[in-house]
Amino acid sequence: DTAVSQTPKYLVTQMGNDKSIKCEQNLGHDTMYWYKQDSKKFLKIMFSYNNKELIINETVPNRFSPKSPDKAHLNLHINSLELGDSAVYFCASSQEAFTGVPSTDTQYFGPGTRLTVL
Amino acid sequence: AQSVTQLDSQVPVFEEAPVELRCNYSSSVSVYLFWYVQYPNQGLQLLLKYLSGSTLVKGINGFEAEFNKSQTSFHLRKPSVHISDTAEYFCAVRYTGFQKLVFGTGTRLLVSP
Repeated sequence: DTAVSQTPKYLVTQMGNDKSIKCEQNLGHDTMYWYKQDSKKFLKIMFSYNNKELIINETVPNRFSPKSPDKAHLNLHINSLELGDSAVYFCASSQEAFTGVPSTDTQYFGPGTRLTVL
Repeated sequence: AQSVTQLDSQVPVFEEAPVELRCNYSSSVSVYLFWYVQYPNQGLQLLLKYLSGSTLVKGINGFEAEFNKSQTSFHLRKPSVHISDTAEYFCAVRYTGFQKLVFGTGTRLLVSP
């Protein structure tokens, strides 16, 4: 019954490796997001996809590449991992349509993936 | 620039005491305001939101917040806290015309017996 799920929950890897985090939502939402929460708990948006189309792309290194195979999935692939990539990554979804009308829709968050780069 | 300030990084309080967690945002014509809670090792969960209408908003778990446009604040309150309220609380603002939520840095509420 999980609304927004992420795998894996924990990911420990070496510097320089490539890794992926998967996200799935069963809420029927049109929009999905990736957030990064650093060690000081600061939460910042990275990407947003609406109907498989990239809408928000914050100043994130191009080593990070989101991929949305369908509306229910938004995966995050990270190349050449660096120590500074260590963080908790949260996926979220909402019914936001990006029609130009400001959205009041609630974002629903997944449980997070704790990435540790050694 | 859009910003959200949560002045208190940590708020310790005894069980059954009242609590207020402060949130201020940079001025704008129109905003939507949210409070999220993050329990240990979990994702964020919506507590309440202000979109329009009454400035006093009631949320889940007995929390409420008051929107004050003149002070650009949206403080979260609970009259009597429980141990189970121990968590990280995030204020977030959606500036109309902009596509993203801007989060504050969070306030850790520590409830002790």
